[in-house]
Amino acid sequence: NAGVMQNPRHLVRRRGQEARLRCSPMKGHSHVYWYRQLPEEGLKFMVYLQKENIIDESGMPKERFSAEFPKEGPSILRIQQVVRGDSAAYFCASSPSQGRGTDTQYFGPGTRLTVL
Amino acid sequence: DAKTTQPNSMESNEEEPVHLPCNHSTISGTDYIHWYRQLPSQGPEYVIHGLTSNVNNRMASLAIAEDRKSSTLILHRATLRDAAVYYCILRDIGVSGGYNKLIFGAGTRLAVHP
Repeated sequence: NAGVMQNPRHLVRRRGQEARLRCSPMKGHSHVYWYRQLPEEGLKFMVYLQKENIIDESGMPKERFSAEFPKEGPSILRIQQVVRGDSAAYFCASSPSQGRGTDTQYFGPGTRLTVL
Repeated sequence: DAKTTQPNSMESNEEEPVHLPCNHSTISGTDYIHWYRQLPSQGPEYVIHGLTSNVNNRMASLAIAEDRKSSTLILHRATLRDAAVYYCILRDIGVSGGYNKLIFGAGTRLAVHP
């Protein structure tokens, strides 16, 4: 059973370009979470999605960031017009159910975004 | 969200037990105590969780104080592979929402010496 897959593992963009980060959850998981880890900092929650729905986007920056989890295919975290401050590791996690107190989130290896 | 407090760093020698403490004095009755760890250059991985009773699994043990205001993650024999940042996280099973996201603090950076 493959774990959470993220690609690309490393992404380099110039300021002003777009970054697209992909996450394929574990088989059978319909809940996806995105977290960001700035250099030398802890992980910060960004967004929680179920298939075709954004459930909680309280951690998403108001501008330039968007996320989707379509009926078919991976979840996508999209960053438009990237700036140097967007350089970070972006982790995706998935869970089989609604993330209550007993549920485990399974994390992918992350995408390391570098903005030049 | 109830907050947790952990030491910034700890050190251990290989093959010795490690006790990683976590204080959560404002824990509510519906909060589960979860531990995750993050090895260098990897995503976090689940370690263990509990509510009131002590818990054991193949990775570690979790000792929870009787008043639930603190807990300790126990690695019985540290290996070099256990060097990581360990996060103690509270997760509310209440119906108020927000229980789905994990709130990571700074964690404890564990160094294991050969």
